[in-house]
Amino acid sequence: DAGITQSPRYKITETGRQVTLMCHQTWSHSYMFWYRQDLGHGLRLIYYSAAADITDKGEVPDGYVVSRSKTENFPLTLESATRSQTSVYFCASSPPPGTGGNTIYFGEGSWLTVV
Amino acid sequence: AQSVSQHNHHVILSEAASLELGCNYSYGGTVNLFWYVQYPGQHLQLLLKYFSGDPLVKGIKGFEAEFIKSKFSFNLRKPSVQWSDTAEYFCAVNIYNQGGKLIFGQGTELSVKP
Repeated sequence: DAGITQSPRYKITETGRQVTLMCHQTWSHSYMFWYRQDLGHGLRLIYYSAAADITDKGEVPDGYVVSRSKTENFPLTLESATRSQTSVYFCASSPPPGTGGNTIYFGEGSWLTVV
Repeated sequence: AQSVSQHNHHVILSEAASLELGCNYSYGGTVNLFWYVQYPGQHLQLLLKYFSGDPLVKGIKGFEAEFIKSKFSFNLRKPSVQWSDTAEYFCAVNIYNQGGKLIFGQGTELSVKP
């Protein structure tokens, strides 16, 4: 029962480098999300996807790119990492609203440090 | 824009004390409401949720929450906390018919002293 897995779990990168955080879910949930968690801000939505090939911006999308070529994968790419993108990143998934209660399930998080 | 407010940023209690964490949201339509818990170094886990029906919902580990529509509130309660309840608690709202995304409050850190 893998559920939702994120990789890498911990990453240190340099400013300006491209970084991709991977997210994979085994439930065939149609919705997937990327949140970042920062002290004092709670969790803020970066991007989300309602289905394969459908993505939309969240609250803080700048500097990030996502894709959803397959239902089960939702990678998040930092095109040119900045120190302000040092954060904990959580991937999440859920069934469509109205089915199964719309509960969102979270991965274990990816700790990213940009130096 | 819709928002969720958690009024207590850090709460410190002794074991066996009662807990109430406030959560208010700003949206006048139909919402789904959630409380998540995050233990130190771990991911978010669902404590309880409200979609419809009885406004008093019970969750895991003895937690409950009451939805008061007129006050736009969904406060979390527990009659007697334990040291193991030390964690960060997040209230979240999903706006009905606006996709599955959650809007989170800033979180409340709960420290329970043994």
